[in-house]
Amino acid sequence: DTGVSQDPRHKITKRGQNVTFRCDPISEHNRLYWYRQTLGQGPEFLTYFQNEAQLEKSRLLSDRFSAERPKGSFSTLEIQRTEQGDSAMYLCASTSHAGGTEAFFGQGTRLTVV
Amino acid sequence: DQQVKQNSPSLSVQEGRISILNCDYTNSMFDYFLWYKKYPAEGPTFLISISSIKDKNEDGRFTVFLNKSAKHLSLHIVPSQPGDSAVYFCASGAQKLVFGQGTRLTINP
Repeated sequence: DTGVSQDPRHKITKRGQNVTFRCDPISEHNRLYWYRQTLGQGPEFLTYFQNEAQLEKSRLLSDRFSAERPKGSFSTLEIQRTEQGDSAMYLCASTSHAGGTEAFFGQGTRLTVV
Repeated sequence: DQQVKQNSPSLSVQEGRISILNCDYTNSMFDYFLWYKKYPAEGPTFLISISSIKDKNEDGRFTVFLNKSAKHLSLHIVPSQPGDSAVYFCASGAQKLVFGQGTRLTINP
């Protein structure tokens, strides 16, 4: 296992289009997180799953955003009707425990909405 | 509500000297703290952590100090090397991590 994998690495889309990102966590990790990072800021929590259950969503996650983890393995994050303000780095992380241990991050998906 | 704050956006240190990065937090419920390092166009990489039952944790050139009464932690890197140039984030949280804004460290030869 080479770590957390995200696809694509870069995505440029026109405003109003839908985009979907994929994250493959470390295989034995049951927790999967999505974060968003904008320039000059630290990563901001969006949502997380324990196995296939989505346990928490940030108020940052508007109704245009939806995340799934259908079989408790990989996850997808979809943004509908993209806006320029959605341009950011979307980071996925996984961990095997709740708290007390570090989360391992993927390399991120850089989204640019034009 | 910025629960984790890094008040220095940037820091420049000469190679071989000590780098000290600072972080403050407001949530007294936080009991585990982490430092991540991030290079451009990559995800954050875990560096070192500390539990609130300790006040110091050391791993090679990296040492993290925790002052619970002041709600302050710091990361010391000694000696600093050019490869340490990156953005450093402190983070804490239970179910999810809350990150500071980051400090860009530049090590000058």
